[in-house]
Amino acid sequence: KQEVTQIPAALSVPEGENLVLNCSFTDSAIYNLQWFRQDPGKGLTSLLLIQSSQREQTSGRLNASLDKSSGRSTLYIAASQPGDSATYLCAVNNFNKFYFGSGTKLNVKP
Amino acid sequence: GAVVSQHPSWVICKSGTSVKIECRSLDFQATTMFWYRQFPKQSLMLMATSNEGSKATYEQGVEKDKFLINHASLTLSTLTVTSAHPEDSSFYICSARAPGGGYSYEQYFGPGTRLTVT
Repeated sequence: KQEVTQIPAALSVPEGENLVLNCSFTDSAIYNLQWFRQDPGKGLTSLLLIQSSQREQTSGRLNASLDKSSGRSTLYIAASQPGDSATYLCAVNNFNKFYFGSGTKLNVKP
Repeated sequence: GAVVSQHPSWVICKSGTSVKIECRSLDFQATTMFWYRQFPKQSLMLMATSNEGSKATYEQGVEKDKFLINHASLTLSTLTVTSAHPEDSSFYICSARAPGGGYSYEQYFGPGTRLTVT
């Protein structure tokens, strides 16, 4: 069964810092990987989707990379802002089932 | 495009009653929808896969007689929590796979329903 791990579990940084969130998975036979943002008590907001054939995707200040063979993905956030504070989840798509990591709770201090 | 809604957004019910949660794809047809639950400070766990016109496929450990799923149309799936108990209190989120078939398509998530059983 696919297992998804996210490190760190929590992260607190001052505004303006560049940061990296890590996601690892045990089964490399994935179709795609998706990064989400979740605000407290809210649903999921999709940030980036990387297909298994892709190496990275970019959207604004966000850049996600995928190394399928090693079972790793990273989410890079440039010039962090207080509004980026949220929990970030990665999810891998194995045979049309999504397996989620436990998330990284990010706090960006003004 | 690709908006998924859920109703209600939150519900409080008494122990022993049943609660129905609706998941709708507003601007696309979804042959497959998924139901997840999330306990406080934990991640999402897939409960079941809902296919239009057929029985849902439940994940191991999920009681199908307790969590009834109906996918009667291409835009609507419902989750009914029967004889709810306080331990069923959770955040329930549905998702719908983008149209076009295949496994590489994005899933779109609803805003979630918070269920509290007293």
